[in-house]
Amino acid sequence: GQNIDQPTEMTATEGAIVQINCTYQTSGFNGLFWYQQHAGEAPTFLSYNVLDGLEEKGRFSSFLSRSKGYSYLLLKELQMKDSASYLCAVRDVLGGGATNKLIFGTGTLLAVQP
Amino acid sequence: DAGVIQSPRHEVTEMGQEVTLRCKPISGHDYLFWYRQTMMRGLELLIYFNNNVPIDDSGMPEDRFSAKMPNASFSTLKIQPSEPRDSAVYFCASSPGTSGRGSSYNEQFFGPGTRLTVL
Repeated sequence: GQNIDQPTEMTATEGAIVQINCTYQTSGFNGLFWYQQHAGEAPTFLSYNVLDGLEEKGRFSSFLSRSKGYSYLLLKELQMKDSASYLCAVRDVLGGGATNKLIFGTGTLLAVQP
Repeated sequence: DAGVIQSPRHEVTEMGQEVTLRCKPISGHDYLFWYRQTMMRGLELLIYFNNNVPIDDSGMPEDRFSAKMPNASFSTLKIQPSEPRDSAVYFCASSPGTSGRGSSYNEQFFGPGTRLTVL
């Protein structure tokens, strides 16, 4: 089966660092995405990992361990505008080949407080 | 680029009525996806197309749902008859193909969504 787990909610303070974890158990794997979704808006792409290790992009970094089925999104120097839902998604594999199908977790709602 | 365009943005209808949601993907993108998002179930893939051909419709909940992509610039998702449990936000997304232009990540670009309420 397909299973992606994330914490439901997190709270952090402006200026601090927060780490949002994601664990997955999927029948196939061809990359992991993080999306940001503000309330009432569409998801927007944040990061992509297909190999083990850390990908850094400004204040945001994403880490992947394929052997552990684990990823995290690290947000540094938190700002109030970072209050949003963060969605972890795994790209599926079909018949041994890549697909473009994403399986999403239910998201982590992050609240940044002053 | 204009981004993915969806219409209508909001739809309120009564149970039993037919609902048609529309999507225009980003020009040049080979893939188009229809998602449904609810508080209880999160973001669920309903169906996706590659070069206008349906590839995976395993997420379509039942026969009341149907989707078409008659050409590369237009897709519809139809619910007939609609039920209150269909109330959700429906997103359309598109992404470039592996052989086309676009990001090497092949990330999906989402439209603004259609908020559907079935009374």
